[in-house]
Amino acid sequence: LAKTTQPISMDSYEGQEVNITCSHNNIATNDYITWYQQFPSQGPRFIIQGYKTKVTNEVASLFIPADRKSSTLSLPRVSLSDTAVYYCLLISGTYKYIFGTGTRLKVLA
Amino acid sequence: DVKVTQSSRYLVKRTGEKVFLECVQDMDHENMFWYRQDPGLGLRLIYFSYDVKMKEKGDIPEGYSVSREKKERFSLILESASTNQTSMYLCASKMGTRTEKLFFGSGTQLSVL
Repeated sequence: LAKTTQPISMDSYEGQEVNITCSHNNIATNDYITWYQQFPSQGPRFIIQGYKTKVTNEVASLFIPADRKSSTLSLPRVSLSDTAVYYCLLISGTYKYIFGTGTRLKVLA
Repeated sequence: DVKVTQSSRYLVKRTGEKVFLECVQDMDHENMFWYRQDPGLGLRLIYFSYDVKMKEKGDIPEGYSVSREKKERFSLILESASTNQTSMYLCASKMGTRTEKLFFGSGTQLSVL
């Protein structure tokens, strides 16, 4: 199974742009890349998903280079409420949603 | 709003007890999942179900079983609880197509003493 690698933790200040990079060297041709956010005492929540190039929605952007071996989640101008754990995962088939350990983002005032 | 409801927020059980964790979704989703989450290990898939009465093992099924008698309900069963099953349990559901997103419940924190 493809595996993802992302930094364990990151700190940022309010108002800054935060980029979290995920490595997935063994991504398969049909795999999609998706990101989830998890606050304490809650289940993860979907943020964004993509296959290649760039995807943007109301909360984030996802950058995927041509070789697809990595992806970068970009959070524009973070606030304290963006403090959470962010998971990068590959969708390898209908049922296989494999979560790693995530990146713990702490936003400082 | 979509909703995945887990019956208990906190549970305390004794070693050897049979434990039922219940999950209900109101979105008519075909697929339902049970994960456990432990510090430093992330989320690990225990079992999933793609239809009523259908189930598949995930990555860590040992010590667990599941039941899906109705489309909206997916139960996780610990036949004989052990202390190493103390964990946060998360239920999720999604539509049947491949790239649909997962919707999670708020989790059940189970402590086995």
